Amino acid sequence: QKEVEQNSGPLSVPEGAIASLNCTYSDRGSQSFFWYRQYSGKSPELIMFIYSNGDKEDGRFTAQLNKASQYVSLLIRDSQPSDSATYLCAVNTDNFNKFYFGSGTKLNVKP
Amino acid sequence: GAVVSQHPSWVICKSGTSVKIECRSLDFQATTMFWYRQFPKQSLMLMATSNEGSKATYEQGVEKDKFLINHASLTLSTLTVTSAHPEDSSFYICSATPDGYTFGSGTRLTVV
Repeated sequence: QKEVEQNSGPLSVPEGAIASLNCTYSDRGSQSFFWYRQYSGKSPELIMFIYSNGDKEDGRFTAQLNKASQYVSLLIRDSQPSDSATYLCAVNTDNFNKFYFGSGTKLNVKP
Repeated sequence: GAVVSQHPSWVICKSGTSVKIECRSLDFQATTMFWYRQFPKQSLMLMATSNEGSKATYEQGVEKDKFLINHASLTLSTLTVTSAHPEDSSFYICSATPDGYTFGSGTRLTVV
């Protein structure tokens, strides 16, 4: 299995703050990077993906990718209690959409 | 968007029996599907890649004789857990191309 590392947390932030989630990966051949949100007992939901170095914004979410450092992050602006979940980082190293997941970071947004 | 359906959503079985889980692509043809397993408080671990009309490719450490995968049509892949034991209790999730980004709703297997 490819190695994808995440801090397990929990990461606690107050409502309205920015939550910053980080992920590193070992395979320099990784091509695309995904962030998923998973509520307890449920299947992962795709938040966003990024292919190129730099930032990609989608609403309150911004993904940042630095391939030289093998690092990808997710920023959540104006965090809401409903954002409380486990956030999974996934990388894809080939063209067949096979993903390798990190262990996830648990986020708690306090009202 | 692409919709992937999984059935059943949960199942309880006795130790030693076999359980079949279905993964269907509802609005697209999926030549490739993926099966993952997630133990409590752990991340998803890729088990195998299911290819329509050919044998599945298993990840290292996954017993192919225990986890039988059949992908007989472009919209259906099945995972059969044979001779299930309590340690096989887990959350099983599939995903499918064309985008592979979308996951099924998952199947909670409990072996007693």
